[in-house]
Amino acid sequence: DAKTTQPTSMDCAEGRAANLPCNHSTISGNEYVYWYRQIHSQGPQYIIHGLKNNETNEMASLIITEDRKSSTLILPHATLRDTAVYYCIVRLFGSGYSTLTFGKGTMLLVSP
Amino acid sequence: GAVVSQHPSWVICKSGTSVKIECRSLDFQATTMFWYRQFPKQSLMLMATSNEGSKATYEQGVEKDKFLINHASLTLSTLTVTSAHPEDSSFYICSARGPMNTEAFFGQGTRLTVV
Repeated sequence: DAKTTQPTSMDCAEGRAANLPCNHSTISGNEYVYWYRQIHSQGPQYIIHGLKNNETNEMASLIITEDRKSSTLILPHATLRDTAVYYCIVRLFGSGYSTLTFGKGTMLLVSP
Repeated sequence: GAVVSQHPSWVICKSGTSVKIECRSLDFQATTMFWYRQFPKQSLMLMATSNEGSKATYEQGVEKDKFLINHASLTLSTLTVTSAHPEDSSFYICSARGPMNTEAFFGQGTRLTVV
């Protein structure tokens, strides 16, 4: 699986949009971008995934650059409960399923 | 999303004893389950991949005789830490391959403390 690079930590004010970047310059054509988050002392939670089109669900939006070498996870209105470590992972999809390899992620701190 | 339940949430055991952790997929059949370990302030490290009805595949450096994995049904996998020692104290997390083989879903984790 391609390696990803994320900032170690970010701060965000409550109610503001949180934009978390991820670089994955070595991503291959059949690898998807996945985002998970881990709130302290809990198991990781799936957020969103995408291939090349932008994706949106009830939790977040995922913006992938045209060359697919980077992406941004957007939490449109961050709340205190969004404080967590956010992991950007690239992996094969479907029949080429591979395990999730977690890096260090970004520690997002949402403050009042 | 699909629900994965892990039990117990936390356990304290004496050094030398064995501890069993259960991982259940509640609303889907999980042909593949994964076991991770996470030490304080570190990321998740994959320990083993478990396929229903067959032997688990362990990652390099993980002792298969110490960390026994059983995946006898499509909804249950267990991890037994045998002869636990204080250095085995960690946060153990399971995940299950989702019903559409897309995203993986995680249990809530088990905090193991060996005293």
